[in-house]
Amino acid sequence: ETGVTQSPTHLIKTRGQQVTLRCSSQSGHNTVSWYQQALGQGPQFIFQYYREEENGRGNFPPRFSGLQFPNYSSELNVNALELDDSALYLCASSDYRLAGHYEQYFGPGTRLTVT
Amino acid sequence: EDKVVQSPLSLVVHEGDTVTLNCSYEVTNFRSLLWYKQEKKAPTFLFMLTSSGIEKKSGRLSSILDKKELFSILNITATQTGDSAVYLCAVVWTNAGKSTFGDGTTLTVKP
Repeated sequence: ETGVTQSPTHLIKTRGQQVTLRCSSQSGHNTVSWYQQALGQGPQFIFQYYREEENGRGNFPPRFSGLQFPNYSSELNVNALELDDSALYLCASSDYRLAGHYEQYFGPGTRLTVT
Repeated sequence: EDKVVQSPLSLVVHEGDTVTLNCSYEVTNFRSLLWYKQEKKAPTFLFMLTSSGIEKKSGRLSSILDKKELFSILNITATQTGDSAVYLCAVVWTNAGKSTFGDGTTLTVKP
């Protein structure tokens, strides 16, 4: 059983640029959630994807968008980067078919720095 | 607004001590409460709690949920230096599995 993987590990971008972060879900998991974790804070829910569709969204602007592919892997895209977007971006996978079971398994994260 | 508050923010203990971490919440459409341990990057899953009063145990760690008073506690007995980490509490709400995390409790266990 493979775990959740994310790429890249680290990324440095300039304000105004666009970035794409990638996540491969754990084998057998069909749901991917993305979180933003600023230093010293808990993860903030960005959105969740299930069956290639957005299945819920937190309080993030539309310049945060995502995709889920048929193999359940996912991308997070952020346009028009701002300095406050600097954070650890975590991806978590789970099996939505297990009703009421929301055990999520997190990837190692992508550290994004916006200068 | 949905809110999850953890206390204390940080805690320093010595090996062998017992600690209790607290998590209180104000969330509509509660589905479950989860505890995670975050050492460097990826939070690792500890417990999922859905029913009041049923203790979950895993080795030296245990947790319980009170859905009437809207809180949960995580106990760690006979702490070890390897228990040093940030402990996160998250509440899952709505069918979409949206979750709200607290800001964590930083536990430092000294030898």
